[in-house]
Amino acid sequence: EPEVTQTPSHQVTQMGQEVILRCVPISNHLYFYWYRQILGQKVEFLVSFYNNEISEKSEIFDDQFSVERPDGSNFTLKIRSTKLEDSAMYFCASSRQGEGGYTFGSGTRLTVV
Amino acid sequence: AQSVTQPDIHITVSEGASLELRCNYSYGATPYLFWYVQSPGQGLQLLLKYFSGDTLVQGIKGFEAEFKRSQSSFNLRKPSVHWSDAAEYFCAVGAYYGGSQGNLIFGKGTKLSVKP
Repeated sequence: EPEVTQTPSHQVTQMGQEVILRCVPISNHLYFYWYRQILGQKVEFLVSFYNNEISEKSEIFDDQFSVERPDGSNFTLKIRSTKLEDSAMYFCASSRQGEGGYTFGSGTRLTVV
Repeated sequence: AQSVTQPDIHITVSEGASLELRCNYSYGATPYLFWYVQSPGQGLQLLLKYFSGDTLVQGIKGFEAEFKRSQSSFNLRKPSVHWSDAAEYFCAVGAYYGGSQGNLIFGKGTKLSVKP
């Protein structure tokens, strides 16, 4: 079964550093998403991406965040200057055209120290 | 405001017993409803979804859910729980427009423990 692949599975970074979280969506999917889950809290939408541009973003997704699809397979989330409160599990997801439902990756646990 | 409520934070059931996890939603448009399961350290796996049609939907691993518009509910059920079902379960609601799904709004999750 096709999977969404996320790397790394766990990343520790110093406060103020830039991090890039990487995702390889399912190959025939066209819509890409990032969600995050702070420990003990609900999963929250960050951003959706289609046709090489952001289609929707939440208020969490401020100027510190950016997304990019640098080639035909990768989808990245960059946090420019990490804060302690950015510590969370970040999930990438993708979906195809139509009512297929999302497929989520296994997540990257980001710890900011 | 759009929201999903899972009133039970933690449920413990005996193996072989039946299970019902509750989910209520508040959503302005026609809702598309999902249940996801998350095992420790794992990602979110789609159990089932409701888009339209038959209000009783079947999913993977023997789960089913029933959409009740009048009650704004989408409860998840399983007739006989297995130890491997121990995990956290998330209900989510979203929209569908322009040929794709919009963002999902998740509930806080219900953690299921299974007693031998």
